[in-house]
This record gives sequence, C-alpha cells and structure tokens, in this order.
Amino acid sequence: NAGVTQTPKFRVLKTGQSMTLLCAQDMNHEYMYWYRQDPGMGLRLIHYSVGEGTTAKGEVPDGYNVSRLKKQNFLLGLESAAPSQTSVYFCASSYSHGPYTEAFFGQGTRLTVV
Amino acid sequence: AQTVTQSQPEMSVQEAETVTLSCTYDTSESDYYLFWYKQPPSRQMILVIRQEAYKQQNATENRFSVNFQKAAKSFSLKISDSQLGDAAMYFCAYRSFMNRDDKIIFGKGTRLHILP
Repeated sequence: NAGVTQTPKFRVLKTGQSMTLLCAQDMNHEYMYWYRQDPGMGLRLIHYSVGEGTTAKGEVPDGYNVSRLKKQNFLLGLESAAPSQTSVYFCASSYSHGPYTEAFFGQGTRLTVV
Repeated sequence: AQTVTQSQPEMSVQEAETVTLSCTYDTSESDYYLFWYKQPPSRQMILVIRQEAYKQQNATENRFSVNFQKAAKSFSLKISDSQLGDAAMYFCAYRSFMNRDDKIIFGKGTRLHILP
C-alpha cells in the first residue's frame, strides 16, 4: 500500500519555466490538498479538492493551478515559476468524514527556482 | 476563518524529562478535529495524536498526551520521558467536522530539541 506518492522529489527550475507536480493516492480518499512549507511559516494551503472534478483556493493560491480529473490524482501546476515559489511542496489526502479524518502526506517535493 | 497559533518557535528539553508544546486556535464552530503532527529531519509528516472536539476525555498515545481545553480553545501536547528520537518539528492542526468544504489548517510549528 503506497499511500500518497509525489513526483518528482526534487526539481530545479529556471525563472519563467513551467512544471507540474503529480500527487497520487491509493486510499480512495475524497479530499486532497497541496501545501507549501517555508521556514518559519509552517504549512500553508495552496489549493485543495473535496472530490473528483472540484478544486478550491487555499491561503496562497496565486501563481498555481490545480486539476483533479481522477479521484486518485491531484496535479499542481506552475505556469511561470518565480524565485518566490522556491519551497517544499507537500500533497496530502484524507477521508471526508469518519473517525480517521487526519491528512496523510506524501514525502514532499523540494523545488528550487533560480 | 479558522486560525491555529503555536507561540513557541523552538523549545528544548533534557532527555527523559517532560515537555509541553502549546497550541491555540480560533473557531466559531462547535465540532472539529485537532491534530499534532511530527516532522523529523526526514521531512515525513507523521500523525502523533488526534482529538475530537466533542470528546471530553483527553487523547493519549503512549508517551504523548494532550490537554484539550475547549472553552479556552487550547490544545497542548505533552511528551513524557523525552527521547532523542522525539527531536523534530511539531505542528498543530485543525479540521472542521461539519463543513463539507473544509480544509486542514496548520500552525507555524515548534522545533523541539532534545538535550542528551
């Protein structure tokens, strides 16, 4: 059981380049999330999805887009990368209700924009 | 909007001693979940403990326990018999129980150092 898998694990981009981060979960979770982690800032929510075909903005959505075409996948896109987007990105997923409503996390993606 | 505040950016504790990490939150909801996550240097996010707001009893998991004060909107984590492996960043998190369009909100974290 793989849980939540993020690809890639590391990436270096040049300013202005684009890329897509892929998140896949095999736990049949309804909800999926993208966070970024920066020193002293904790985990800040970028976008999230409460079901297939739905997405919503989080706390810091600017410069990012997302898609959830399949229940198990949640893609995070950077159309024109900026140095301010240098961060560690985490994908997470969870059930919508029930006794186990915590988020299960991927291993993170370290992105550097130069 | 809900917020989670961890007022201690860093803490240190002697090995085998007890330490308490603080967390406060702001919400107008009556039903919700609270969590503590641990992030060791490996970067992996690990669930330490969860608490349902409707439960009066404080959650415990081995050496980890919480002091949940609903009226004060406080959710502190107590680590007993601290071990070197407890050194990590700890995050407090909040999740709404009733709202379908909910999200999980995290505090900024507390870095815990264990002194041998």
